[in-house]
Amino acid sequence: DAKTTQPPSMDCAEGRAANLPCNHSTISGNEYVYWYRQIHSQGPQYIIHGLKNNETNEMASLIITEDRKSSTLILPHATLRDTAVYYCIVRAPGAQKLVFGQGTRLTINP
Amino acid sequence: ETGVTQSPTHLIKTRGQQVTLRCSSQSGHNTVSWYQQALGQGPQFIFQYYREEENGRGNFPPRFSGLQFPNYSSELNVNALELDDSALYLCASSAGLAGYPGELFFGEGSRLTVL
Repeated sequence: DAKTTQPPSMDCAEGRAANLPCNHSTISGNEYVYWYRQIHSQGPQYIIHGLKNNETNEMASLIITEDRKSSTLILPHATLRDTAVYYCIVRAPGAQKLVFGQGTRLTINP
Repeated sequence: ETGVTQSPTHLIKTRGQQVTLRCSSQSGHNTVSWYQQALGQGPQFIFQYYREEENGRGNFPPRFSGLQFPNYSSELNVNALELDDSALYLCASSAGLAGYPGELFFGEGSRLTVL
């Protein structure tokens, strides 16, 4: 079973920041938080991951709370191409698999 | 583009038949994982291969089997197909065992329909 909880759907206006929350209250100390997204009929795409510090790359920012029980993925300037299902996943080092939940279906509106 | 290619992209089979799906991993990646994604669900882990050996398996029956070749490409075989096997089958490659601490690179998937 997935160790994360995400809202099933969210909407965001094009050009605005999209903030996707994720709860992972049972995360262990050595588990990383990963974010993937899946655009319709394509394979999942890696976005970002982090352990406890905030992370930023060319796609997004990841904000992890100090107690690590929740995190937020931020897409700073959402475009229509960001419409996808976003998955938040916790994963231990050396874990063989990603455990996907239902994810959040993000719709970017013009 | 992730460099992970899967074939075929779509196929239709009937119950009881057998199917083989193929995956070429990204250059330099020695670990391949297979996932099944039913419509409206998140991907579910089937198994992983590392250096030609199965290195972990999800909750799938033995009629789901796989191979990894010396060039790290991989096959997923499903025997005695059932209607519930209809799904998108995803292959993911990574460098090193489990790709820690980096990411998996997924292919576009093979969509199997069982009639």
